[in-house]
Amino acid sequence: DQQVKQNSPSLSVQEGRISILNCDYTNSMFDYFLWYKKYPAEGPTFLISISSIKDKNEDGRFTVFLNKSAKHLSLHIVPSQPGDSAVYFCAASLLTGNQFYFGTGTSLTVIP
Amino acid sequence: DTAVSQTPKYLVTQMGNDKSIKCEQNLGHDTMYWYKQDSKKFLKIMFSYNNKELIINETVPNRFSPKSPDKAHLNLHINSLELGDSAVYFCASSQDWTGTNYGYTFGSGTRLTVV
Repeated sequence: DQQVKQNSPSLSVQEGRISILNCDYTNSMFDYFLWYKKYPAEGPTFLISISSIKDKNEDGRFTVFLNKSAKHLSLHIVPSQPGDSAVYFCAASLLTGNQFYFGTGTSLTVIP
Repeated sequence: DTAVSQTPKYLVTQMGNDKSIKCEQNLGHDTMYWYKQDSKKFLKIMFSYNNKELIINETVPNRFSPKSPDKAHLNLHINSLELGDSAVYFCASSQDWTGTNYGYTFGSGTRLTVV
């Protein structure tokens, strides 16, 4: 029972262009969302988060958008850099909960 | 200075054996977790401890037993290993039990292969 889905297993983007990674969730009670970035042979690292009271959160080149009615969030990276090549996981939780539900990840390749 | 360290990084063992994976965090976090990433790359929580107390115990076989001797350590012991236990196991920690302040800090994972 996968409550968080990332339907694109991979994405390739030219350096300097925008990368858009998508995530859908099924539980309308989720109210906190995070994106993690993972390099090979390393653990995921926290990238950016958003709570359900917002529809956008920005941190440098990274912006997360939340569309609660569509149960959809996206991560925009602009401009994309080769060092952004990694697997990106989205995760969701209840603020009153104590666990995150993860998607299966999208592997981003930024082509120089 | 590794924030969340887990050992070993790789573990190859035969079916039926008992093995342990150790995890330590030096962040002063209150909550620690074990996650399993299966062959489909699905990261799923197994256990969560807050201040040495078990707060999440998802449906995992009894052969998996977590032990938290103190707030900074959460070890995972697995009895009678089976082929289906092959996966990458991640330890993580968070400031509080909700994990909503900066999310989790993950270790680099332990790739367990059961042959």
